[in-house]
Amino acid sequence: GQQVMQIPQYQHVQEGEDFTTYCNSSTTLSNIQWYKQRPGGHPVFLIQLVKSGEVKKQKRLTFQFGEAKKNSSLHITATQTTDVGTYFCAGNTGNQFYFGTGTSLTVIP
Amino acid sequence: SQTIHQWPATLVQPVGSPLSLECTVEGTSNPNLYWYRQAAGRGLQLLFYSVGIGQISSEVPQNLSASRPQDRQFILSSKKLLLSDSGFYLCAWGPLNTEAFFGQGTRLTVV
Repeated sequence: GQQVMQIPQYQHVQEGEDFTTYCNSSTTLSNIQWYKQRPGGHPVFLIQLVKSGEVKKQKRLTFQFGEAKKNSSLHITATQTTDVGTYFCAGNTGNQFYFGTGTSLTVIP
Repeated sequence: SQTIHQWPATLVQPVGSPLSLECTVEGTSNPNLYWYRQAAGRGLQLLFYSVGIGQISSEVPQNLSASRPQDRQFILSSKKLLLSDSGFYLCAWGPLNTEAFFGQGTRLTVV
């Protein structure tokens, strides 16, 4: 069945350091989405990537979609304490959203 | 605008008791609806999804069931809860190939 894996599972960084999480799917995706879940909260949509090789930026966040549309990454430059949370990728195939296992980011002030 | 309501926010239930979690969507019609479970510190596990009234697809065999009695209503149920059913349950809706919108979640503790 469809599997979406994310690494690392946990990441602790000093404030100001960069952070990257990687997402890999076992099958080709229609699109990929990224969500952020703050502690105790629900996932909130960040962005969607559709095209092969697509790169999108949101301030300090850079999202990439692989050429084969099976992998993606989220890179945060100069992390801040407000970046704390769990970041999920979600692969979209047919009617389902298959979420990655998530990367929990802790930012140490 | 579209909104999604999920209740209750927290629930403590004894083992063997029944469960009913409700989710309703406003501002859209014929949405794809989803139930996810998130164990503590873990990812989102897709439990059920529905593309229309009475149409339920189950992703994993388990102690839970889902129903969609109305277009914008999605219910998660259990006849007898197990300890392993504890977790954070999230309802979501999403048109095909666009973002998923999540409810606030229900934190279920089975004791």
